[in-house]
Amino acid sequence: GAGVSQSPSNKVTEKGKDVELRCDPISGHTALYWYRQSLGQGLEFLIYFQGNSAPDKSGLPSDRFSAERTGGSVSTLTIQRTQQEDSAVYLCASSLDQSSYEQYFGPGTRLTVT
Amino acid sequence: AQSVTQLDSQVPVFEEAPVELRCNYSSSVSVYLFWYVQYPNQGLQLLLKYLSGSTLVKGINGFEAEFNKSQTSFHLRKPSVHISDTAEYFCAVSESPSGNTGKLIFGQGTTLQVKP
Repeated sequence: GAGVSQSPSNKVTEKGKDVELRCDPISGHTALYWYRQSLGQGLEFLIYFQGNSAPDKSGLPSDRFSAERTGGSVSTLTIQRTQQEDSAVYLCASSLDQSSYEQYFGPGTRLTVT
Repeated sequence: AQSVTQLDSQVPVFEEAPVELRCNYSSSVSVYLFWYVQYPNQGLQLLLKYLSGSTLVKGINGFEAEFNKSQTSFHLRKPSVHISDTAEYFCAVSESPSGNTGKLIFGQGTTLQVKP
């Protein structure tokens, strides 16, 4: 069946612009996670959704970062007023629920802020 | 708070040789443990996980790992590597059930370079 998909695969933006990154989880998966992978910081947790609510936003690095999930499916991660330090690969993962302990990762969106 | 340390950033090894990738964790609560693999330009794939039971866990592609609670370690091993095992390997922890969201805390990764 279809895995987790993310779009775009690559995004180049100018400093100060807003960007939206999209994640389509595996159908039926209620838990959705965003992570960021960068050279300096490694793989970091950003936010967790259970259904449409986000009970854990503890990894969002600043208030420029926000995310939403609609219909218990697609999620969008928005970064406002992008900075060069936001350059990274943004990974989305989904799992059946928060206790299934097997997360399936998408291929990621590589964001470059110039 | 939990943390994960992967002791080697790069591990070069010849094809058909055995390999061990080291992982130590720190946590004040019980944890679940995972190893993920990332092939070049691809997403992360689960290799194996330890939730409970036998401390020796077998995963895909001939990999196995052993949970050692007293040493807070979860080292990954393979008796004979192939060129195709060249990839980056990540150790991760997640809090075991109570209040858990399932979020993963990752180590910095170990690049396994298999040479012919």
